[in-house]
Amino acid sequence: DIQMTQSPSTLSASVGDRVTITCRASQSISSWLAWYQQKPGKAPNLLIYKASTLESGVPSRFSGSGSGTEFTLTISSLQPDDFATYYCQQYNSYSLTFGGGTKVEI
Amino acid sequence: EVQLLESGGGLVQPGGSLRLSCAASGLIFNNFAMSWVRQAPGKGLEWVSAISGSAGSTYYADSVKGRFTISRDNSKNMLYLQMNSLRAEDTAVYYCVRKGITTATGDYWGQGTLVTVSS
Repeated sequence: DIQMTQSPSTLSASVGDRVTITCRASQSISSWLAWYQQKPGKAPNLLIYKASTLESGVPSRFSGSGSGTEFTLTISSLQPDDFATYYCQQYNSYSLTFGGGTKVEI
Repeated sequence: EVQLLESGGGLVQPGGSLRLSCAASGLIFNNFAMSWVRQAPGKGLEWVSAISGSAGSTYYADSVKGRFTISRDNSKNMLYLQMNSLRAEDTAVYYCVRKGITTATGDYWGQGTLVTVSS
């Protein structure tokens, strides 16, 4: 199975900060990577798919980049609503795998 | 609007069985592959199983293979997960997830149903 490693696991930031989260795959997944945001008690929400395509309705301050094994999620200017946990997910194979998550806190 | 509504969760003893259901609306159900993804309390996300739109193909995580069975009834817009030989480590919120055609990954998620395996 493809392993996904996210860093950092926790990130302390302030409103207005530029935030970057990294995700590494144990083997090449081309651009078959998604990013999700999850708030406590809620289901995950798709932010980005195919590594860099913004899902409809997602604010433009979110962006994704990368291919192969290295990927990043960037929030250009952190807003109060962005404090949450973020997960990367590979879908290169039918056996989907998620990263361990990055909690963005104040 | 697409809606996915899970049901069937609850408390079950180790070794027991449970069947989860997911009622889908607002979509042409048989056009979409579906998955179950779970999240243990305070932990990350784990993919459990997937099924093609026609139900011709099914896939399982190693952790549930041989114990769980995914199925669907396209005439009723329903997705199921039959869980047998349940273990404490199966305790989690189980989400029903639609695989989008454009996104090729989970674009709609249900609100989840909690399964607790405990004596």
